[in-house]
Order: sequence, then structure tokens, then C-alpha cells
Amino acid sequence: EVQVLESGGGLVQPGGSLRLSCSASGLTISSFAMSWVRQAPGKGLEWVSAISGGGGSTYYADSVKGRFTISRDNSRNTVYLQMNSLRAEDTAVYYCAKHINIAARQTYFDFWGQGTLVTVSS
Amino acid sequence: QSALTQPASVSGSPGQSITISCTGTSSDVGGYNYVSWYQQHPGKAPKLMIYDVSKRPSGVSNRFSGSKSGNTASLTISGLQAEDEADYYCSSFTISSTYVFGTGTKVTVL
Repeated sequence: EVQVLESGGGLVQPGGSLRLSCSASGLTISSFAMSWVRQAPGKGLEWVSAISGGGGSTYYADSVKGRFTISRDNSRNTVYLQMNSLRAEDTAVYYCAKHINIAARQTYFDFWGQGTLVTVSS
Repeated sequence: QSALTQPASVSGSPGQSITISCTGTSSDVGGYNYVSWYQQHPGKAPKLMIYDVSKRPSGVSNRFSGSKSGNTASLTISGLQAEDEADYYCSSFTISSTYVFGTGTKVTVL
């Protein structure tokens, strides 16, 4: 059974940093691209970032470019999202979503984790 | 990248059919057949319902169908059931090698 579990969320002050982790079981994560998608309280879904299966290609939404960094450690079956210079508007549930294949482009998200809440507030 | 435009809410009686539209531009919906639809119940993670405009993953009811014309994609739910009450989001790959989601549609079963 495929399982995806996000962790690392919490309360952080504006300007602070946080690193989210996405661990997967029941699949070989290196065979799949992964994305982070967030949802602010009471709002819609917003794609944040994607990384190819091998980690060589990364993509970012304009709203986080230069502040967030996606990476992966396939030996640990884990994907990360390093979030720096956090703002109040980054407050959201962050979901880890699996792509259907190794490429991060031109695909869709066929499995999602349950999400981890990030709150940016003083 | 602006969010794709969806109606805020759509409602129907059990057994009826409803259609949710998703309007983008030639840089996303109109330019690619990588449109997908997701169902989200309150407090739950999104679930893939349609991919590549009109394909259904295994396990998804054939009451769900998708289509596209120009810059607008559509999701149709036929034979509406109480369990279909949820939020629905479309998504598309974009010319910038990013993804964009729709504004979301709340489906209410009357």
C-alpha cells in the first residue's frame, strides 16, 4: 500500500525558516517526480514546487521562487521543501503529491499525503 | 500565473447531472491535454478523479467524465449522489513548466 507522510510543519515567525519532509512507503520514490501543493485556510489549492525522480530538474511557482528549495534523498525515500524568508501569506497546509512518472513536467498528481500545517505568525 | 476560473458553487438533486467548467488560456488549458480534476472532502487530501482531460483512474466511478473545448475544460458528474458533495479543483500544466489549479467549485447535493 502506497503511503505518503508529510512532517515538519509548525509555527514560525515571519522571516524565519522551516524544512518540510515527505516520506514515502510502498513505492520506489526515485521512479516518480514529486510536488508540493499548499492550501491556505479556507482557500483553494496552489501548486508550489516540483522535482523530477532523479532530482535533476526542479520547478517553482513565482510566489516562492528564490525563497523555497525542493530537494530529495532517494536513499531515504524522502523529498524535502526548505522554506526561507517565510511570510504570513505562506500559512497553509502543505501537501506532498506524487506524479505518475519520473518526469515533473506534463503530468498530474495521482496520490497525495494528508498534509502538514505551516503557520507563519509573530 | 493566475488561477484557472471555476464557478464558486454548483448544485443538483440526487440523480441529476451537473457540469463544472474550468477556464484558462492558450498557455495552459488550451495549449495542453494535461488537464486533471481533483475531489476534496472537508479536512481530507485531494483525490484524483480525471487526468489527461478525459481519462479516469481505476476505482473512480464512470459517473465522472471530462472534456475540453478550446481554453475551457469541463467535469461532468452524472447520477449525482450524496457522496459527491465536495470541493472540486481542475489543474493544468502550463507553458512555464509549472502547474496551475482552478479556483475551486463547491458541489452541493440538494
